[in-house]
Order: sequence, then C-alpha cells, then structure tokens
Amino acid sequence: GQNIDQPTEMTATEGAIVQINCTYQTSGFNGLFWYQQHAGEAPTFLSYNVLDGLEEKGRFSSFLSRSKGYSYLLLKELQMKDSASYLCASSDSNYQLIWGAGTKLIIKP
Amino acid sequence: TAGITQAPTSQILAAGRSMTLRCTQDMRHNAMYWYRQDLGLGLRLIHYSNTAGTTGKGEVPDGYSVSRANTDDFPLTLASAVPSQTSVYFCASSDSGTHTGELFFGEGSRLTVL
Repeated sequence: GQNIDQPTEMTATEGAIVQINCTYQTSGFNGLFWYQQHAGEAPTFLSYNVLDGLEEKGRFSSFLSRSKGYSYLLLKELQMKDSASYLCASSDSNYQLIWGAGTKLIIKP
Repeated sequence: TAGITQAPTSQILAAGRSMTLRCTQDMRHNAMYWYRQDLGLGLRLIHYSNTAGTTGKGEVPDGYSVSRANTDDFPLTLASAVPSQTSVYFCASSDSGTHTGELFFGEGSRLTVL
C-alpha cells in the first residue's frame, strides 16, 4: 500500500537547527512536497523535490533520496514563528498526492 | 490578492441535513481540489477537477458531490450529512492538474455534524 511516515511531534530551541524526516512508499513517484501549516490555518507550500539531492531556500532546505524513499526538511536558525506542523506529501504514478499526518514542531525559547 | 475563498468558515449541521461548502479562486487555475483534514491523519482527497467541466473522485468521495461549471467555482455538497463528516475541509487549486505544481489552499471550513 501507499504510506508516508513522519514523526508526530518534535521540539527544538530557538536559534538551533532541526531536521524533520519523511519516508514514503508510493506506487510510482513524481515528486515530494513539503508544506507548512500553522495551527488553524491553511497549508502553505515550502518545497518540491523530484531529483535526488538538496534544495536550499533561505533558512529552509529539503533533501530527497529516491532510492531510499526518504526526504528531510532542514530548518536553520529557528524562530518562534517556525512553530507549526510540517506536512510531507508524495506524488504517485497517477500524480495523486499521498499526505503524511504531519510533524508538529514546537520551538522553545 | 484574494487567492482562494471558502465559505462558510465554520458550520454546525444536524445529521441528515444537506450542506454546500463554497470555494472560489481568482487565479485562473485549471485544477481544483477538495480535501478533508482530520486529527492524526494526512489530508485526504475527496474530489478534484482538472479543468472546468470535468470532475473526478479522490480517496474518500462517498457522501460528497462536486461540480465545476466554470474555472473559478468548485462547490462541495454533502447531500445528507453524517457525524463522520465532521472535519476541516480545505479547497485548493493549482496551475497544473498533475500535482507537480504548488497547491494554493483556502483557509478551510470547519464542519461539525451532530
């Protein structure tokens, strides 16, 4: 079956670095998305990886290994506003998105 | 810029009643989607439309119907609501119907069925 796994919750300190992992098993693969969702708000797009490697975008970077079915989102210089849920989603062979349940990131001062 | 507008923001509905959640976008995107989000679960696709005049079933379509009469509007109808349809509903749109592009989400509609 199709499945996305990511940790339920993580805690990190303001100013530090945190890595949120995501493993996926989908029928075919057409890319891996990361979205940010603040409590009570809509998800917003962070990144899209379809090739292996690291994509850097400011304080946020996303990594993909297709052979391992693995991705991570790296957040640097954490700020309190980064407290949110981070959603991983894989696009399968039919271009349907399979979503993980999200990782709630708690930032402590 | 409005982007995607959903209405209502929240609603309490008696079981057995019908309800239409409205969704309008002003970005001229071809593809639109309806998702539900439940605690502890990933977003689940209810119905989608790759272009005006066409619709398709997602992962959890039972009990829901949609229409896409034009590019901008994509309403979701619950014909006879049941408590298991209590959820937060998100409408989304994208330029591409192949889920290789960014999804833009509305602010969500919180529905409680009693």
